[in-house]
Amino acid sequence: AQSVTQLDSHVSVSEGTPVLLRCNYSSSYSPSLFWYVQHPNKGLQLLLKYTSAATLVKGINGFEAEFKKSETSFHLTKPSAHMSDAAEYFCVVRTLQDSNTGKLIFGQGTTLQVKP
Amino acid sequence: ETGVTQTPRHLVMGMTNKKSLKCEQHLGHNAMYWYKQSAKKPLELMFVYSLEERVENNSVPSRFSPECPNSSHLFLHLHTLQPEDSALYLCASSHGMNTEAFFGQGTRLTVV
Repeated sequence: AQSVTQLDSHVSVSEGTPVLLRCNYSSSYSPSLFWYVQHPNKGLQLLLKYTSAATLVKGINGFEAEFKKSETSFHLTKPSAHMSDAAEYFCVVRTLQDSNTGKLIFGQGTTLQVKP
Repeated sequence: ETGVTQTPRHLVMGMTNKKSLKCEQHLGHNAMYWYKQSAKKPLELMFVYSLEERVENNSVPSRFSPECPNSSHLFLHLHTLQPEDSALYLCASSHGMNTEAFFGQGTRLTVV
């Protein structure tokens, strides 16, 4: 069975410091991996995606993530946090098995707090 | 702003009411989805439509009834809901089944 685990439910950083949001996945097949962000009272916005090309993926707003197959991880990073980065972040997986149904499997989410 | 528009944004309904949620996408996509987002739980896929045909029904109670009249519109018809159905209902669309999904802003549903 495939699953996604976000290792931290809440992360707090100071503005200007690095951000690390951790994600591990479990999949029997080659996965596609995504990070989405959700600001309060908003829908989900795609930050970046991995689909078996380069393992280091760059996204919007300075975020990037590295696919590490040996560690089954897809952690999200940003060198310097901005106040506007405060939001809920979701790590999402789609397996090859689910590619015919479009099914996305969501992690529980990580709330990022950015302190001034 | 995302190309996927949901109406209404907020809805309060009694358990005996019938209401519908509407989703419209302006991205030329051919797949549409309904997700449920409850507090403290991961997003749950409810329904998937591809080329206006339902391809996934994730064991959703029959009090939720989807309708996809064309590739741009998706509805979720609600009747005799329960308080535990209160949640944020998100619509999404994608180009094909194996690409990223674009989400609407959701409808915040409260069942009283």
